[in-house]
Amino acid sequence: QSALTQPASVSGSPGQSITISCTGTNSDIGTYIYVSWYQQHPGKAPKLLIYDVSYRPSGVSSRFSGSKSGSTASLTISGLQFEDEADYYCSSYTSSNTPRVFGGGTKLTVL
Amino acid sequence: EVQLVESGGGLVQPGGSLRLSCAASGFTFSSYSMNWVRQAPGEGLEWVSNIATTGATMYYADSVRGRFTISRDNAKNSLYLQMSSLTDEDTAVYYCARDLHGDYAFDHWGQGTLVTVSS
Repeated sequence: QSALTQPASVSGSPGQSITISCTGTNSDIGTYIYVSWYQQHPGKAPKLLIYDVSYRPSGVSSRFSGSKSGSTASLTISGLQFEDEADYYCSSYTSSNTPRVFGGGTKLTVL
Repeated sequence: EVQLVESGGGLVQPGGSLRLSCAASGFTFSSYSMNWVRQAPGEGLEWVSNIATTGATMYYADSVRGRFTISRDNAKNSLYLQMSSLTDEDTAVYYCARDLHGDYAFDHWGQGTLVTVSS
């Protein structure tokens, strides 16, 4: 199962909004709602930000939002803060015999 | 508070074996499917394996199928990963991750344990 496709890096200034894309296929994002997003700071474990395309777990800031169109999911971070600088990963359920897949990750730089 | 604590990592020679453990607390372990996810140095996340609540169903990434075995002991609130025929490509931090109940998202993660395969 090939990884989902994410841009290697994105950047933005404090207060701005950025969007990270995650492109899959009809075997994963295109068919299932089980798209999730994770934030990982250096040396730390990943943290769940979004599940089922657009739902936020309790405690996650409303500045993080998710959406999906066709086989592409997106994570939008509004009101960028320096603390948002981290790596971001998407993940999806898939219909293959390896039922989970991650994107390659996107490094967010807050300038 | 949900806690997942991995152990068992270390240095192992190519072709060797290692068993990772994950001790769970703060939730009803037997009600959640569990996963192992790994991250090679400087690389992204890679899903490795999943096991259902009862242990009856397991799934593996193509890269580890036939070499790794996931298991669980619900009486001991523990998850395991038996790794064999290790190569340098298995060098990574291995995370234990819980599935969101009835869903396919990893809602809690351990701190990870480092496995280094080297001669």
